[in-house]
Amino acid sequence: AQKITQTQPGMFVQEKEAVTLDCTYDTSDQSYGLFWYKQPSSGEMIFLIYQGSYDEQNATEGRYSLNFQKARKSANLVISASQLGDSAMYFCAMREWQGGSEKLVFGKGMKLTVNP
Amino acid sequence: DTGVSQDPRHKITKRGQNVTFRCDPISEHNRLYWYRQTLGQGPEFLTYFQNEAQLEKSRLLSDRFSAERPKGSFSTLEIQRTEQGDSAMYLCASRHEGTPSYEQYFGPGTRLTVT
Repeated sequence: AQKITQTQPGMFVQEKEAVTLDCTYDTSDQSYGLFWYKQPSSGEMIFLIYQGSYDEQNATEGRYSLNFQKARKSANLVISASQLGDSAMYFCAMREWQGGSEKLVFGKGMKLTVNP
Repeated sequence: DTGVSQDPRHKITKRGQNVTFRCDPISEHNRLYWYRQTLGQGPEFLTYFQNEAQLEKSRLLSDRFSAERPKGSFSTLEIQRTEQGDSAMYLCASRHEGTPSYEQYFGPGTRLTVT
């Protein structure tokens, strides 16, 4: 079974600073995908970024980048130039594909607070 | 795209009552997923549909839970004889199987409170 670990319960960052959110994973699969989702207080899960296990370069999407270290089994999210609107819960997830079925396995999440 | 929609957004029910939630995926998304999220936790997988076929059910989905996706369009999740432990946010997600990033698009969720 796949597992996602997010050990930081919460982080505080000043507006305009960069922040790194940690995620480690465990899988025996050779092919897998890693995601980061943002969940504001409104509750909706918002997709931020995806990294495939065979992608040679780290994924980037605007202010978001994924620091993928395959040997360490880590997939940390880096947010550059934090904004007040970045305050939310952040979840790391892994795509599991078995027997013709597909699901996302999520970590417990971490709360980011951006201070003005 | 209008996004994934869920109805109702909030539901308060008494223990023992039946409830039904609806999810309308993004049109032409043939894959649909239900997740449950309790306070302080990440979403947990409940069930997965490819078109109208339900291909996997989590062991979290006891026999009081049933999900359908008639004609491969909208989906319903029914909970019979609700218990206080069923109180959670129920999230629906969808995607088209051709999406290269495997991104699942989530709806706003239905928050269930069982009193």
